[in-house]
Amino acid sequence: AQSVTQLDSQVPVFEEAPVELRCNYSSSVSVYLFWYVQYPNQGLQLLLKYLSGSTLVKGINGFEAEFNKSQTSFHLRKPSVHISDTAEYFCAVSGGNTGFQKLVFGTGTRLLVSP
Amino acid sequence: EAGVTQFPSHSVIEKGQTVTLRCDPISGHDNLYWYRRVMGKEIKFLLHFVKESKQDESGMPNNRFLAERTGGTYSTLKVQPAELEDSGVYFCASNRRLLDEQYFGPGTRLTVT
Repeated sequence: AQSVTQLDSQVPVFEEAPVELRCNYSSSVSVYLFWYVQYPNQGLQLLLKYLSGSTLVKGINGFEAEFNKSQTSFHLRKPSVHISDTAEYFCAVSGGNTGFQKLVFGTGTRLLVSP
Repeated sequence: EAGVTQFPSHSVIEKGQTVTLRCDPISGHDNLYWYRRVMGKEIKFLLHFVKESKQDESGMPNNRFLAERTGGTYSTLKVQPAELEDSGVYFCASNRRLLDEQYFGPGTRLTVT
């Protein structure tokens, strides 16, 4: 079965600093990769996705992620964070032997941006 | 276009009671999914409808959970009888085609005491 690992449960960072949220997945076959964000009291919103093509994916709100097949990673980055980026971020994968209709999520990373 | 809506936003029930959660997908979305997040763990897939048919219910924890989607529009998820371990946030998502982005609702927070 596929799995997604988000090693950091919480990442504190100061405003305007860069941030990287780590995501590793386990799959021996092709998969699709996603980052979702959940702001307080809201549903999950898609930040970006990798389906194929360029390994550097740009998403909304200045976020980007890089697909690294050899390291089975899909880390999320932002060069300069804002207070409004405080939220929980989920890495997810679909495809492989579990099919493309279901998303397999990591445990989430809380990004805490302080002034 | 209205997003995915879920009702109620929060439900507190006692162990042994019954609760029904409702999800209204985005209009025209044939695919509807239920997910659950228990106690800060990962969000886990429960099941997938295509219109009114259950396409995949491999994530349903046990037979106390019953999902329906009559008419292929809104869906309900009934838990009967509820147990303490059923507490968590239940998310619903929908999309028009399988490989499209899944649009998530705000979730229903279920607390079983």
